[in-house]
Amino acid sequence: DQQVKQNSPSLSVQEGRISILNCDYTNSMFDYFLWYKKYPAEGPTFLISISSIKDKNEDGRFTVFLNKSAKHLSLHIVPSQPGDSAVYFCAASDSGGSNYKLTFGKGTLLTVNP
Amino acid sequence: ETGVTQSPTHLIKTRGQQVTLRCSSQSGHNTVSWYQQALGQGPQFIFQYYREEENGRGNFPPRFSGLQFPNYSSELNVNALELDDSALYLCASRPGTSGEYNEQFFGPGTRLTVL
Repeated sequence: DQQVKQNSPSLSVQEGRISILNCDYTNSMFDYFLWYKKYPAEGPTFLISISSIKDKNEDGRFTVFLNKSAKHLSLHIVPSQPGDSAVYFCAASDSGGSNYKLTFGKGTLLTVNP
Repeated sequence: ETGVTQSPTHLIKTRGQQVTLRCSSQSGHNTVSWYQQALGQGPQFIFQYYREEENGRGNFPPRFSGLQFPNYSSELNVNALELDDSALYLCASRPGTSGEYNEQFFGPGTRLTVL
């Protein structure tokens, strides 16, 4: 049972345009959500997060939107740059649990074309 | 500030063998988690250690075990290796187990191949 789903295995956008990566979750106990970026041969790098008490969080070119009623979140990258090309993982955690484990989606490969 | 480091980078073992992977947490971080990332999948939580005690475990059999040392470094041990254990093993650290934020900082991983 996959509790965090990233239904698009890949996404290709032109440099300068907006990239929108989507993520759905099924566990209503999740209350904290994170996006990680992963380059080949490296570990995931934390990008941005959002608590369930908010519906939007911005950090520079990156904005995460959370729709709790739809159990959906999205990551917007504007403007997209070739260096953004990587695998993006959505992750969720339940802060009411004892170990704050992260539950990850399968990832979306973003390719930004020059 | 030193990030999370892992050793070795790559490892090849045969089925039935045992393996030990090592992780040094980021400075100031006392909580370490281990994740397994199979090809084409997202990382899956194996277990977490806080103050040298396991305080959470994912859906992995007992042949996956771990340790955390007083300096917060950690080991992941896998006994009786199976072909499906071939994966990237990621270590992540965070400062404590409570708080509003749960950003975990990952190491580069150890690529384990079981033949």
